[in-house]
Amino acid sequence: DQQVKQNSPSLSVQEGRISILNCDYTNSMFDYFLWYKKYPAEGPTFLISISSIKDKNEDGRFTVFLNKSAKHLSLHIVPSQPGDSAVYFCAAVPPSGAQKLVFGQGTRLTINP
Amino acid sequence: ETGVTQTPRHLVMGMTNKKSLKCEQHLGHNAMYWYKQSAKKPLELMFVYSLEERVENNSVPSRFSPECPNSSHLFLHLHTLQPEDSALYLCASSPYDGTSYNEQFFGPGTRLTVL
Repeated sequence: DQQVKQNSPSLSVQEGRISILNCDYTNSMFDYFLWYKKYPAEGPTFLISISSIKDKNEDGRFTVFLNKSAKHLSLHIVPSQPGDSAVYFCAAVPPSGAQKLVFGQGTRLTINP
Repeated sequence: ETGVTQTPRHLVMGMTNKKSLKCEQHLGHNAMYWYKQSAKKPLELMFVYSLEERVENNSVPSRFSPECPNSSHLFLHLHTLQPEDSALYLCASSPYDGTSYNEQFFGPGTRLTVL
């Protein structure tokens, strides 16, 4: 039973446009959500996070939105740049263990020039 | 450079072999993790060590055996693996104060192929 799901395995966006990556979760008790970015042959790197008590967090070109009633979060990247091409993982922190991240399966984002 | 290194980067082994994966962190963290990433699957947490004591093993088969001799080093000993164990094995580290979440820093991973 997968608690965090990214239903789009891939996404292709034109440079300069907005990229929107989506993530759904089933456990309403998750209290923190994160996005990680992974380039080939490298480990995932932290991108942005949001607490369950907020509905939006912004950091430069990256904004994460949380809709608790829908159990849905999304990552917006605007404007998209070629260097944003990577695999993006959504992750959640359960209340039972702050170290036990639960990951989605990832979405491969390709930014086309 | 994330400050977390893993060796080897690639490993091919037979089902009867014994090998070890090594992870080292240079960030002064007190928690270390092993994750497994299989094709088209989410990252799965295998083991967590906090202050060099194992606190979670997530029902991983006994053919995977972790070792954490100190806060900077983490090993994953492998023996009699199966072809379905072929995956990317990622190590991570983080600060941990016993309660709140802290960002985990990942190494580049070891790509393991079991023949």
